[in-house]
Amino acid sequence: GQQVMQIPQYQHVQEGEDFTTYCNSSTTLSNIQWYKQRPGGHPVFLIQLVKSGEVKKQKRLTFQFGEAKKNSSLHITATQTTDVGTYFCAANFGNEKLTFGTGTRLTIIP
Amino acid sequence: DVKVTQSSRYLVKRTGEKVFLECVQDMDHENMFWYRQDPGLGLRLIYFSYDVKMKEKGDIPEGYSVSREKKERFSLILESASTNQTSMYLCASSRGLAGNYEQYFGPGTRLTVT
Repeated sequence: GQQVMQIPQYQHVQEGEDFTTYCNSSTTLSNIQWYKQRPGGHPVFLIQLVKSGEVKKQKRLTFQFGEAKKNSSLHITATQTTDVGTYFCAANFGNEKLTFGTGTRLTIIP
Repeated sequence: DVKVTQSSRYLVKRTGEKVFLECVQDMDHENMFWYRQDPGLGLRLIYFSYDVKMKEKGDIPEGYSVSREKKERFSLILESASTNQTSMYLCASSRGLAGNYEQYFGPGTRLTVT
């Protein structure tokens, strides 16, 4: 079936360090979404990327969609304790549903 | 404020029991989804519905069924619960086709089958 690989599974960083999570697909995506799930919470939508090579920023978060529309990344600059949680990519392969990555759990060392 | 509610936060059932998980959204969304979330596996789609009385299988429909009699309500049914269905169940809704619109999630139901 259609799958999207997300790495790393875990990331521990010192507060103030940067963080990146990556999603990769073997097939071209229609678009990709990113979600954040705080500990004990539910996934919350962050952003959607549609165009080849698209880059979007939300304050310290930078989202990229690859030129071939097969990969995407989320980069957080200068992490803060409020960034703690699990980040999921969710890929649209052109059908009616999203396929979620396995998530990257980010923990911050104060 | 958009809202998706689920009937229970925690549920404990015995093997073989019939289990109903209810989800209600107040956003007049066409599409509703049921996922299960397990450590290391992310969110996996069980079933989704794009209209009243319509349903489509997701990636892991075995052992589950769904019902959508009203637009705002989507139910997940475990006909005969088994221990491997112990999981966190998340309901979501979206305005249009998934992938084109953001999904709004409920708080989740943590189901334990003993």
